[in-house]
Amino acid sequence: SQQGEEDPQALSIQEGENATMNCSYKTSINNLQWYRQNSGRGLVHLILIRSNEREKHSGRLRVTLDTSKKSSSLLITASRAADTASYFCATDRNTDKLIFGTGTRLQVFP
Amino acid sequence: KAGVTQTPRYLIKTRGQQVTLSCSPISGHRSVSWYQQTPGQGLQFLFEYFSETQRNKGNFPGRFSGRQFSNSRSEMNVSTLELGDSALYLCASSWGLAGAVEQFFGPGTRLTVL
Repeated sequence: SQQGEEDPQALSIQEGENATMNCSYKTSINNLQWYRQNSGRGLVHLILIRSNEREKHSGRLRVTLDTSKKSSSLLITASRAADTASYFCATDRNTDKLIFGTGTRLQVFP
Repeated sequence: KAGVTQTPRYLIKTRGQQVTLSCSPISGHRSVSWYQQTPGQGLQFLFEYFSETQRNKGNFPGRFSGRQFSNSRSEMNVSTLELGDSALYLCASSWGLAGAVEQFFGPGTRLTVL
């Protein structure tokens, strides 16, 4: 069963614009991770944020976590065509397995 | 460091047959997790092994099984294949438990059941 659901399911933007994806989950978590999947590089880890953290940055990526709302968001700033991919959030409850969300398909047009 | 490798990359089987997929984790990683990815169900957790012990299992029938060897390499087996088992099977490794640290994924094995 899916623990997380991403919103929107699909997103199309122009290069240079920002892209925001949201993830909602159902039960309390220890950690939340974001992954990217494209046909060229497979599934790649982006960021891990722990339940006691509220925000984390990595390059053009910014992740926020609101445990009271059971939600997280991934912001990609100044998008590039190479950011075209599916983005998944993944949550754990007992640090021993990851449950993936349904994913957001991002298309960045040159 | 070499990445996670999975063999074979593509596999075609018929209903009723069985299949074994192999995963070699990154050197030093002790955790190996398996996932099934389909267009309808998305990424579904199958099981995780840590130091040769199965720590967790997803909601899959007993036809799905796995094991981990002392060198951390892992295999998963699917017996009595059904059409619905057609999927991309992904293996991931990490130095710690799956939920707590970054997972490194292999390219996957694409299984087609005819």
